[in-house]
Amino acid sequence: AQSVTQLGSHVSVSEGALVLLRCNYSSSVPPYLFWYVQYPNQGLQLLLKYTSAATLVKGINGFEAEFKKSETSFHLTKPSAHMSDAAEYFCAVRHSSASKIIFGSGTRLSIRP
Amino acid sequence: EAGVVQSPRYKIIEKKQPVAFWCNPISGHNTLYWYRQNLGQGPELLIRYENEEAVDDSQLPKDRFSAERLKGVDSTLKIQPAELGDSAVYLCASSSKSRDSYSPDTQYFGPGTRLTVL
Repeated sequence: AQSVTQLGSHVSVSEGALVLLRCNYSSSVPPYLFWYVQYPNQGLQLLLKYTSAATLVKGINGFEAEFKKSETSFHLTKPSAHMSDAAEYFCAVRHSSASKIIFGSGTRLSIRP
Repeated sequence: EAGVVQSPRYKIIEKKQPVAFWCNPISGHNTLYWYRQNLGQGPELLIRYENEEAVDDSQLPKDRFSAERLKGVDSTLKIQPAELGDSAVYLCASSSKSRDSYSPDTQYFGPGTRLTVL
C-alpha cells in the first residue's frame, strides 16, 4: 500500500533562509511523487513531479526536490525563502499504473520577516 | 484559458439538509475528480470520472453522497442528508491524458467549496 508522511505540520523560516520540507513515502513499486502548494482559500497547484527520469526535479517558484530511493524520501527545498512562499504544502504519491493520488497531511510554511 | 470552476465557494447549512456542489472542468479534460479535504489534512479522493463513467467511487459514502457527470463535462456532487462530520472543503480537479505514456496526468484543482454543517 502507498502512503506519504510529511514530517512537521508547521515549519517557520526567516525570509531569505533555506526552506526544507520533508516527505517520506512508502510504495511497493517505483512511484510517481508530487509536491503541491495550496494558498489560503485556493485549490492545489502543482509545484513539481517526479516521474523516474532525473532524480533532482526542478519546479516553479524556485523550488526543487530530490528523489532518494535509499531513503524513500522526496524532500522539497528552496535556497532562499520569500514572503510569498507562505502556504500549505502537500507531498503526494501515486502508483505508476493507477490514477489515485495519496496526499500527505500537509506542512504549513510560515515566513518570518 | 479558464481553470477548474467550482460553485458555490462557501455553503452553510443545518444538519439533515441537502446540499449540492457544481464543477466545470478545464475544456477538453476527460477525467474529473472530486476530493474532500478535512481541516488540517490532505485531500482524499471521493470519486473519479472518465468522461461520463464513474471508474473509481470506492471512497464515496453511497448512503448519503451521490455524483453525476451526465454529458461528460461538468459534474455535480450531492449530499443528502448532510451530517456535522461532512464539514470540509470539497475540491474538484480535472486532467487530460498525458502525451507521454510514462508520465502521469497532471491534475488541475479548482478553488473548492467550503461546506459548514451546523
